[in-house]
Amino acid sequence: QQQVKQSPQSLIVQKGGISIINCAYENTAFDYFPWYQQFPGKGPALLIAIRPDVSEKKEGRFTISFNKSAKQFSLHIMDSQPGDSATYFCAASYAYNQGGKLIFGQGTELSVKP
Amino acid sequence: GAVVSQHPSRVICKSGTSVKIECRSLDFQATTMFWYRQFPKQSLMLMATSNEGSKATYEQGVEKDKFLINHASLTLSTLTVTSAHPEDSSFYICSARWGGTGNEKLFFGSGTQLSVL
Repeated sequence: QQQVKQSPQSLIVQKGGISIINCAYENTAFDYFPWYQQFPGKGPALLIAIRPDVSEKKEGRFTISFNKSAKQFSLHIMDSQPGDSATYFCAASYAYNQGGKLIFGQGTELSVKP
Repeated sequence: GAVVSQHPSRVICKSGTSVKIECRSLDFQATTMFWYRQFPKQSLMLMATSNEGSKATYEQGVEKDKFLINHASLTLSTLTVTSAHPEDSSFYICSARWGGTGNEKLFFGSGTQLSVL
């Protein structure tokens, strides 16, 4: 059972455009929702994260929108740049006192064209 | 962000040998570390949760006798792939949990590419 579903699988955006990646989860026990960026041959790097008591969080060009009732959250990358080309993973984590396991979505391969 | 160091970054070994991968939290203490496995163009699959001073908790389908995990200190967890076979070839990534209830974050190492010949 895939606990975190991510779409699209791949995304091509023009430089300066907005990249939008969506995720949905099922388990209401999740209480932490990070996004990671991964370049080939490297480990994932934490990009931005949100908790369910907040509907939106913005850090620079990156924004997370969170809809608790729909159990969905999304990543928006404003003014996308070629250097943003990477694979992006959404994730959901169980609470600290429930083990804190992080479950990943399937990933989105983003390509930003110059 | 906090730094997690993973070593080696790449290892090639013969079938039947064992390989040890180290994961260190460099600037913080991590009572909990996680080990993931990633195949090309796929997501990260959680293998096990490593808790300092206690036995690791393995995910369903992961052979605990094949993937030995030791978390002997607050800054070091090791994964040993025993009697490696070509199907064990994969990208292994560790992560360490920073912070406590309500502010925890997971930081990842740079990964280890294991190739079993």
